Amino acid sequence: SAVISQKPSRDICQRGTSLTIQCQVDSQVTMMFWYRQQPGQSLTLIATANQGSEATYESGFVIDKFPISRPNLTFSTLTVSNMSPEDSSIYLCSAEGYPEAFFGQGTRLTVV
Amino acid sequence: RKEVEQDPGPFNVPEGATVAFNCTYSNSASQSFFWYRQDCRKEPKLLMSVYSSGNEDGRFTAQLNRASQYISLLIRDSKLSDSATYLCVVAPSGYALNFGKGTSLLVTP
Repeated sequence: SAVISQKPSRDICQRGTSLTIQCQVDSQVTMMFWYRQQPGQSLTLIATANQGSEATYESGFVIDKFPISRPNLTFSTLTVSNMSPEDSSIYLCSAEGYPEAFFGQGTRLTVV
Repeated sequence: RKEVEQDPGPFNVPEGATVAFNCTYSNSASQSFFWYRQDCRKEPKLLMSVYSSGNEDGRFTAQLNRASQYISLLIRDSKLSDSATYLCVVAPSGYALNFGKGTSLLVTP
C-alpha cells in the first residue's frame, strides 16, 4: 500500500494567481496521476506524471494551465495557473492504479 | 457518451435493507473493474475489485458481465456506516482509471 500526503488541504485564491499542490508518497511509485473532481461530478483525469519525462495530458487539459513536476519517484506537484472561478474544484493526486489506486486527501480550491 | 455510467441515485434505504447499484461501460477492451467508496469530503478508497466470476466480501457482492459491459454491486443488510458515494471504476488498460459519476447511498435508522 501507499500513503500519500497532499497539501494544501484547502485554499481560497484570487483570480489570476497560481496555486501549487504537492503530493508526497511514502514509497517509490512509477506512475502518479492528477484528477479533478467538481461538485457532484466524477473524478476526471488531468494528466499522468511519470518520473523523468513530461506529463501526459488528457483532452481538455494543457501544460500551460496545469504544469506538473515529477522530480523523483515519491513526489509530484500540480500547479493551477492563472486561476478563474471555473477552476474551483477538488484536486486529487493518485499513485499507481492497479490493482489499487491510492489517493491523497485532496485539495479543495476556491477561486474568488 | 460517457465511458462509465452509473445509476443516478441517491438511494435512501432503511437499515437492514438490500440495495443494488448498476454500472455500464463503453470500452469493450477494458481490463479491470473496481468499486470505490468515497465518504463526504474524503478521498476515494478501494472497496473491492470485480472479477468475471463474481466475488463476495462479507455483505458486498460484485458481478461483472463482459458481454453486456455491465457491473453491479449488491449490499446486503445495510448499515448506517455504509452511507457514502459508490464509484464504479473501469481501467481500459495499464494504470489509468475511468471513474463513474458515483451513486449516493443514505442508510437511515
